[in-house]
Amino acid sequence: GQQVMQIPQYQHVQEGEDFTTYCNSSTTLSNIQWYKQRPGGHPVFLIQLVKSGEVKKQKRLTFQFGEAKKNSSLHITATQTTDVGTYFCAAFSYSGAGSYQLTFGKGTKLSVIP
Amino acid sequence: NAGVTQTPKFQVLKTGQSMTLQCAQDMNHEYMSWYRQDPGMGLRLIHYSVGAGITDQGEVPNGYNVSRSTTEDFPLRLLSAAPSQTSVYFCASSYGGEGYEQYFGPGTRLTVT
Repeated sequence: GQQVMQIPQYQHVQEGEDFTTYCNSSTTLSNIQWYKQRPGGHPVFLIQLVKSGEVKKQKRLTFQFGEAKKNSSLHITATQTTDVGTYFCAAFSYSGAGSYQLTFGKGTKLSVIP
Repeated sequence: NAGVTQTPKFQVLKTGQSMTLQCAQDMNHEYMSWYRQDPGMGLRLIHYSVGAGITDQGEVPNGYNVSRSTTEDFPLRLLSAAPSQTSVYFCASSYGGEGYEQYFGPGTRLTVT
């Protein structure tokens, strides 16, 4: 089945530093979604990337989809304490026999030291 | 517009007991799903439904049953609880299926002793 690797598992940064999490798939993806989960909360959708090489920005967050549509990254510039949480990628791809599947990465837990 | 709601928020069961986790959405989404979240494991799909009367298995379906009699509701039944089912359970819904934005409920934290 589809394998989705997300690294790093944990990241501790000083407030104001940048942060990046990477998501790699074993198969070519139809699209990739990113979610944020605050401590004790539920996953909340951030963005979806569909096109090869796509780059999207949301304020201090930059999302990229690789040219081969097998990897993606989320970069946060100048982290703030409000960025604390776990960031998940979710890879959507064809799984055979006419069906698709959405596979979540294990997430990167971000801690921000004030 | 409440979005996706789940009850209960917390539950403690003894091994062998059964229970139903409730999930409802008011967004008229056809696609609904159940995930479990364990430390270091991310979110794993248990069961999903593409519409009323249609359900299918996900990655980890053993020990769980679902049914979908209405568009709004998608309950998850634990048949005979086991300690391995201790987890946080999230229900999600989507307008167009897995390839679209998933709206998650607040979760049910289940402990099986």
